[in-house]
Amino acid sequence: GESVGLHLPTLSVQEGDNSIINCAYSNSASDYFIWYKQESGKGPQFIIDIRSNMDKRQGQRVTVLLNKTVKHLSLQIAATQPGDSAVYFCAENPYGNKLVFGAGTILRVKS
Amino acid sequence: EPEVTQTPSHQVTQMGQEVILRCVPISNHLYFYWYRQILGQKVEFLVSFYNNEISEKSEIFDDQFSVERPDGSNFTLKIRSTKLEDSAMYFCASSEELGLYNEQFFGPGTRLTVL
Repeated sequence: GESVGLHLPTLSVQEGDNSIINCAYSNSASDYFIWYKQESGKGPQFIIDIRSNMDKRQGQRVTVLLNKTVKHLSLQIAATQPGDSAVYFCAENPYGNKLVFGAGTILRVKS
Repeated sequence: EPEVTQTPSHQVTQMGQEVILRCVPISNHLYFYWYRQILGQKVEFLVSFYNNEISEKSEIFDDQFSVERPDGSNFTLKIRSTKLEDSAMYFCASSEELGLYNEQFFGPGTRLTVL
């Protein structure tokens, strides 16, 4: 979900379970959405994207769902692994140049 | 696999000093970006650059900031007179094309600490 200030929401899951990370975006005109993974000390890494003419897109172990009615995006990670531990950001691209990032969610995977 | 690189990884400077952060975008990419992330907060867009011109800039990117592509490979962000609140991670990104549906590839970032 969303957060305010310095406190990111944290999702703790057991290794092997499925994870669902949620994001509310702000611009109803946004046409393109991306999920990024950020590991400690590294830059954002692309995971999966979706265009506004779709409501679901699947990748390898990841699925993104888009609900334009309520401006909601979710990332599902199947069979979560310790290497999935990171901060996950959704980003919207309302028009060509810039990405607008959400606040981020910390995913902790317990072995 | 080609990647965006950034130097230095960590820069410490005194308030009021000038700093230059350097980036080498992916070689066939034509569009370049700078973002920043204050500790614990979201990533924020600063500026985009194409064809030796700024394409767009945010309200954060004031007169203290400038960008340059001094040669065929480097892309730099200069902060003329650093302030304490400039302390953040600065990420460079590049994309092959402009417009929707074009993935931006991010570098590892430069941590700027202003004392």
